[in-house]
Amino acid sequence: SYVLTQPPSVSVAPGKTARITCGGNNIGSKSVSWYQQKPGQAPVVVMYYHSDRPSGIPERFSGSKSENTATLTISRVEAGDEADYYCQVWDSSSDNEVFGTGTKVTVL
Amino acid sequence: QVQLQESGPGLVKPSQTLSLTCTVSGGSISGDGYYWSWIRQHPGKGLEWIGYIYYSGSTYYNPSLKSQVTISVDTSKNQFSLKLSSVTAADTAVYYCAKGGGCTGGVCYWFDPWGQGTLVTVSS
Repeated sequence: SYVLTQPPSVSVAPGKTARITCGGNNIGSKSVSWYQQKPGQAPVVVMYYHSDRPSGIPERFSGSKSENTATLTISRVEAGDEADYYCQVWDSSSDNEVFGTGTKVTVL
Repeated sequence: QVQLQESGPGLVKPSQTLSLTCTVSGGSISGDGYYWSWIRQHPGKGLEWIGYIYYSGSTYYNPSLKSQVTISVDTSKNQFSLKLSSVTAADTAVYYCAKGGGCTGGVCYWFDPWGQGTLVTVSS
């Protein structure tokens, strides 16, 4: 089955840049979405088609991808960005929606 | 703005069937490209896709759960439902319903919006 690997945690100081990676075999050929989940809340999509931001999501959030890694970048990090972040793709080889392992972003 | 709300029992006995309903408000459940999904999150863990249903009734399931899962839709009530059979403690999770995004040909590329989620505990 297809696996998406994320670092368990990322720590960043306010005003700095956080980069959250999502590793998967040939992920560059897939459409990647990213979700933000705050404690006790449902996930919210913050990026789709790997670099498109839904309305209401700040421009500080951006997405990119290379052959085997997708990256969600949060610029000028704020305290309110502290949350768990998940990547997600459709895997055609297994006919399955796959979520990443999740990354906890801590704002120092 | 479409909103989703899950409902159903919070406690299910082992070997029984878990049944949940998602009510869609603020918009119709029927429409071209409208796929409706169930996703769960085990306590303190990551997200797991269960499956989705097209408004016309076509279903798509996670291969690892396919033998346990039935998703159905009732367009007259603007609702869709999940049934998970023969549950065990491993099925204890928060269950979310969500609308598929960018869907075409049985594939969705994101999920938005999501319901608030409902915790289902499997225990005797």
